[in-house]
Amino acid sequence: QKEVEQNSGPLSVPEGAIASLNCTYSDRGSQSFFWYRQYSGKSPELIMSIYSNGDKEDGRFTAQLNKASQYVSLLIRDSQPSDSATYLCAVKKGGGNKLTFGTGTQLKVEL
Amino acid sequence: SQTIHQWPATLVQPVGSPLSLECTVEGTSNPNLYWYRQAAGRGLQLLFYSVGIGQISSEVPQNLSASRPQDRQFILSSKKLLLSDSGFYLCAWSGLVYEQYFGPGTRLTVT
Repeated sequence: QKEVEQNSGPLSVPEGAIASLNCTYSDRGSQSFFWYRQYSGKSPELIMSIYSNGDKEDGRFTAQLNKASQYVSLLIRDSQPSDSATYLCAVKKGGGNKLTFGTGTQLKVEL
Repeated sequence: SQTIHQWPATLVQPVGSPLSLECTVEGTSNPNLYWYRQAAGRGLQLLFYSVGIGQISSEVPQNLSASRPQDRQFILSSKKLLLSDSGFYLCAWSGLVYEQYFGPGTRLTVT
């Protein structure tokens, strides 16, 4: 079992729809969770962080965390073609200074 | 605000040649620093991280090395490049809650 798992996609959604990206993790001691967006050929950009169970909203983005079920998700409302990118989930375990990244989900928002 | 720089942006090197990639961070003191490699179509592989000057932790055995001669400078080196060293090299720094911010990256092609 991978430490952080994401469906590689591609996930295709029509413009204006809600895109739902999911991530599961194996270490129950994980404390901090991050979502990054990576456009093709560019470096990852931090878009959301979440540390406690529940929802956290920032503009069109909502991060959801369920520690009991060991999953974190990212919802993108009113998806735009500019949201087409690979979304990386990252998890920090209880100790140490490192993040463990998933391999990413490719999102395609179609006109 | 904090800024992270990497150079060069692109590099083409022959097999067996040396390598030196540099990363500098501005606007923060004593950051944790990280080197990642991302092979084409693959996830992020953590290569090295550093919590302070002269303190380097290696994540995977390889022909690469890292150094941190100054608080905000992180260098990735190799004495002899292999074809398998090709990839997108990313430097990152982390903040107080371990979120990581990436530099623009160096795309290395070993021929």
